[in-house]
Amino acid sequence: DVVMTQSPLSLPVTLGQPASISCRSSQSLVHNNGNTYLNWFRQRPGQSPRRLIHMVSNRDSGVPDRFSGSGSGTDFTLNISRVEAEDVGLYYCMQGTHWPTFGQGTKLEIK
Amino acid sequence: EVQLVESGGGLVQPGGSLRLSCAVSGFTFSNNWMSWVRQTPGKGLEFVANMNQDGSVRNYVDSVKGRFTISRDNAKNSLFLQMNSLRAEDTAVYFCARDPGFSAFDFWGQGTMVTVSS
Repeated sequence: DVVMTQSPLSLPVTLGQPASISCRSSQSLVHNNGNTYLNWFRQRPGQSPRRLIHMVSNRDSGVPDRFSGSGSGTDFTLNISRVEAEDVGLYYCMQGTHWPTFGQGTKLEIK
Repeated sequence: EVQLVESGGGLVQPGGSLRLSCAVSGFTFSNNWMSWVRQTPGKGLEFVANMNQDGSVRNYVDSVKGRFTISRDNAKNSLFLQMNSLRAEDTAVYFCARDPGFSAFDFWGQGTMVTVSS
């Protein structure tokens, strides 16, 4: 299976400051069809995961534009331009190019 | 509004069985692949099983093959997971999720807790 490795695992951020989460895969996530199926999810305490970004950089409906995704091949990043209090939670990357696998999660908290 | 509501979780002894259900509304259930994903504190999020629109294709993670069966009733907009021969390591919160393709999981239920313990 493809191993997804996130860093950091803990991310304390000051309100209004940027944040960045890295996700690396053990194999290329480029599918035979040319697309890259890398998604980002956020899970708030006591809630189910919510998809934020699909196919590397496509923001889902209702997701603020301070969230952006980038990357290619095996190296991907989720950026938050200015962290707000509502952004607290666990962030997961997940690939669907191969048998689906998730990263171990990054806990974003406010300093 | 899209809603996925799981039920059927609970406490069961090792070797026992449970049947999870997921009631769906807000989208055309019969047009979509559906999946089960579970979450444990130790292993995090793990894809368990999925099924295509008419049930002719089913995929399972190796650890549940032969023990779990995914099924659906398109007339009742419902997804199921029959879990037999349960083990302690199956203890998790089980989520159902819509899969619009390539496991993109765009909508999730709130989850149902399964605890396997004597």
